[in-house]
Amino acid sequence: DAGITQSPRYKITETGRQVTLMCHQTWSHSYMFWYRQDLGHGLRLIYYSAAADITDKGEVPDGYVVSRSKTENFPLTLESATRSQTSVYFCASTGVDTQYFGPGTRLTVL
Amino acid sequence: GIQVEQSPPDLILQEGANSTLRCNFSDSVNNLQWFHQNPWGQLINLFYIPSGTKQNGRLSATTVATERYSLLYISSSQTTDSGVYFCASGMDSSYKLIFGSGTRLLVRP
Repeated sequence: DAGITQSPRYKITETGRQVTLMCHQTWSHSYMFWYRQDLGHGLRLIYYSAAADITDKGEVPDGYVVSRSKTENFPLTLESATRSQTSVYFCASTGVDTQYFGPGTRLTVL
Repeated sequence: GIQVEQSPPDLILQEGANSTLRCNFSDSVNNLQWFHQNPWGQLINLFYIPSGTKQNGRLSATTVATERYSLLYISSSQTTDSGVYFCASGMDSSYKLIFGSGTRLLVRP
């Protein structure tokens, strides 16, 4: 199906473990983004990418790593998960002007 | 960086009522978008509107860039309009967006 998908939709992990959240889009959009949504903070940008192999930090990048070897994929890795990274993570991509969001991944770090 | 403020933070309407949501931004922007987050968490783009006025059914939006604000109008509200409305703005060519804290809307039948 066309669009932007995220996997897994729900994830429970433990402190210190590595976790990778996947994002895939079928539109061949150049720009892709990762946000986290927390109560009281709204949506905050973690990392973004202008094209394959081009990534840059957003507002809250600490503790996260991204890569983009293919235009359609933009995985987000928590190298050593902490409880403060419990959140809902949204991936997005931008076409001509409009930003489109994936369904989100709810991550709980115990 | 850009600051984005939305008002009111919460709004309760009776079905059929009209409402206006406001978004103020602190700097000149070249990107202004409105989103609706439904009760299931999905974020849907409503408008890309860095300036001017657009309408889509019962929803319309106006951005006055020179005065640094945008308004989202909802007419004849329905229970399905419930959720959180976010305004987001950006000012460079990277399409990065800074989000406001949202307006939580509840439409009662």
